Amino acid sequence: DIQMTQSPSSLSASVGDRVTITCRASQGITHHVVWFQQKPGKAPKSLIYAASTLQSGVPSRFSGSASGTDFTLTISNLQPEDFATYYCQQYLILPYTFGQGTKLEIK
Amino acid sequence: EVQVVESGGGLVQPGRSLRLSCTTSGFTFGGYAINWVRQAPGKGLEWVGFIRRKSQGGTTEYAASVKGRFTISTDDSKSIAYLQMTSLETEDTAVYYCMADIFFFDYWGQGALVTVSS
Repeated sequence: DIQMTQSPSSLSASVGDRVTITCRASQGITHHVVWFQQKPGKAPKSLIYAASTLQSGVPSRFSGSASGTDFTLTISNLQPEDFATYYCQQYLILPYTFGQGTKLEIK
Repeated sequence: EVQVVESGGGLVQPGRSLRLSCTTSGFTFGGYAINWVRQAPGKGLEWVGFIRRKSQGGTTEYAASVKGRFTISTDDSKSIAYLQMTSLETEDTAVYYCMADIFFFDYWGQGALVTVSS
């Protein structure tokens, strides 16, 4: 199975900050990564697919990038509603696998 | 409007069976894959399995942890997907989400809690 190693596991930041979350795949998966946001008690929400393409309706302060087997989610100008847990997932090779999650908390 | 609603969760004893339903509307059922994803209490997300769209054969794939115990099926006439779970183990305790993969994993239900305990 492809391992998605996500870091950090938690992160404290302030409104207005810029944060970066990284996932490293254990083998090449080209651009087949999706990023999810999950708030407590809610289902995950797809934010970015194909490593860097925003889902419709997702604010432009979210962005994604890829370099080899490293994938990055960046949130610029953090807003109060952005404090949540974020997951990456690869969807190239079965079984689909998720990163361990990054909990973004208010400093 | 696309809607995805899970039902059928509850408390079940180890070794027993349970079937979850995923009732959908607002899109062409069968035209898209339906995934099941679970989340153990306080833990991360785990892909359970999916059923492919009809044009791709409607075949199923499963995670190793549930293969041979869980079965995904559909009732196309009712736009419902099912997750039949047998030989349940305490490690299967989780919120189970149904997700219609219409455009890159975009439509999720609210989740159904399955608790496996004696």
